[in-house]
Amino acid sequence: QKEVEQDPGPLSVPEGAIVSLNCTYSNSAFQYFMWYRQYSRKGPELLMYTYSSGNKEDGRFTAQVDKSSKYISLFIRDSQPSDSATYLCAMSPYGGATNKLIFGTGTLLAVQP
Amino acid sequence: NAGVTQTPKFQVLKTGQSMTLQCAQDMNHEYMSWYRQDPGMGLRLIHYSVGAGITDQGEVPNGYNVSRSTTEDFPLRLLSAAPSQTSVYFCASSYQLAGILTGELFFGEGSRLTVL
Repeated sequence: QKEVEQDPGPLSVPEGAIVSLNCTYSNSAFQYFMWYRQYSRKGPELLMYTYSSGNKEDGRFTAQVDKSSKYISLFIRDSQPSDSATYLCAMSPYGGATNKLIFGTGTLLAVQP
Repeated sequence: NAGVTQTPKFQVLKTGQSMTLQCAQDMNHEYMSWYRQDPGMGLRLIHYSVGAGITDQGEVPNGYNVSRSTTEDFPLRLLSAAPSQTSVYFCASSYQLAGILTGELFFGEGSRLTVL
């Protein structure tokens, strides 16, 4: 079993829809949770960063962490065609001495105009 | 601001050949790392460095070598290429806040390697 599981999709939604992307994990030591966005043929870029449980909002994006269920989510409101990309969850138990992140396999999202 | 620069962007090798993927960053980041990205496998850490002269292995280090002689550069060497090393390789760097490494990685655009 992988430490981090992520539905690969692809996920296709109409413009304006609310998108929910999810990851589950098995290592209870994970404390730092991130979402990266990767456009086609580009490197990933950090989208959201949360520590421990709770919600974090940034514009149209909301990240949720439920450590009791070992489940994290990224919500995108009013999705736009420019949101079409692969979304990677990442997590780490450290956040200190190293940046040895464990990544999910990514979910490919297509927002149709 | 260039950020993280990787060269070459594309490369085709024959089995047994060696080559070096170059990575340079201009953000004065102490931490640098190499990942490979394969379909269905996600990003996997190959090697990383927390500063000049210091390197360590990640999850999949076999067949790869690294060195860190300067803060700016972190080359990845393939010693004897194998078809299993066909992948997209990403270099990433990160910074410290109050002496603690953050989880924010800055990635290059990737180097696409095919080994025949």
